[in-house]
Amino acid sequence: DTEVTQTPKHLVMGMTNKKSLKCEQHMGHRAMYWYKQKAKKPPELMFVYSYEKLSINESVPSRFSPECPNSSLLNLHLHALQPEDSALYLCASSVRTGNSPLHFGNGTRLTVT
Amino acid sequence: QQQVKQSPQSLIVQKGGISIINCAYENTAFDYFPWYQQFPGKGPALLIAIRPDVSEKKEGRFTISFNKSAKQFSLHIMDSQPGDSATYFCAATLSNDYKLSFGAGTTVTVRA
Repeated sequence: DTEVTQTPKHLVMGMTNKKSLKCEQHMGHRAMYWYKQKAKKPPELMFVYSYEKLSINESVPSRFSPECPNSSLLNLHLHALQPEDSALYLCASSVRTGNSPLHFGNGTRLTVT
Repeated sequence: QQQVKQSPQSLIVQKGGISIINCAYENTAFDYFPWYQQFPGKGPALLIAIRPDVSEKKEGRFTISFNKSAKQFSLHIMDSQPGDSATYFCAATLSNDYKLSFGAGTTVTVRA
């Protein structure tokens, strides 16, 4: 089993809904990431947190809002999403940013109706 | 601009055969090259990784070959098993960088 836990596993939401994705790791990693993955495509980086501070936003629309309440938790708040935002959202962590291995969770499968 | 090109897009191999996936990169400053394995419904998992000072690295049935002058690296899966059926992504990154450049992925199907 993965050491990065994501909830929920599946989420269906309407375009006017507000929902949140949650991610938790207890490996003491200080870098955490959100990725988006479409079917049969590689993961695309969305956000990077380093020591609980947002260090990278890969030009993600403001309808996605990340939050890092502490070193073990990472949230992704969703609001007014579009159907094209339907995808697998993956959380990952690493010891630090840089070339330390990424540990991915199993993702949240999001469907926007 | 795609910094890592991966081929083939898919391959089918018989049980016991060898699966070979190739990747080529553009940025000569890249110095860390991991491979990720992803099963349907799961997140990618680190399989094996190599740095450019090594030409080959083997872990069990999985071997990475690295050719720095050609800017290419490849994954060989020896004695392929049905449980190896998955999508494999190569990637590359710079030291102290936050971002992995992924290849497009290869779906491997191992027939029993």
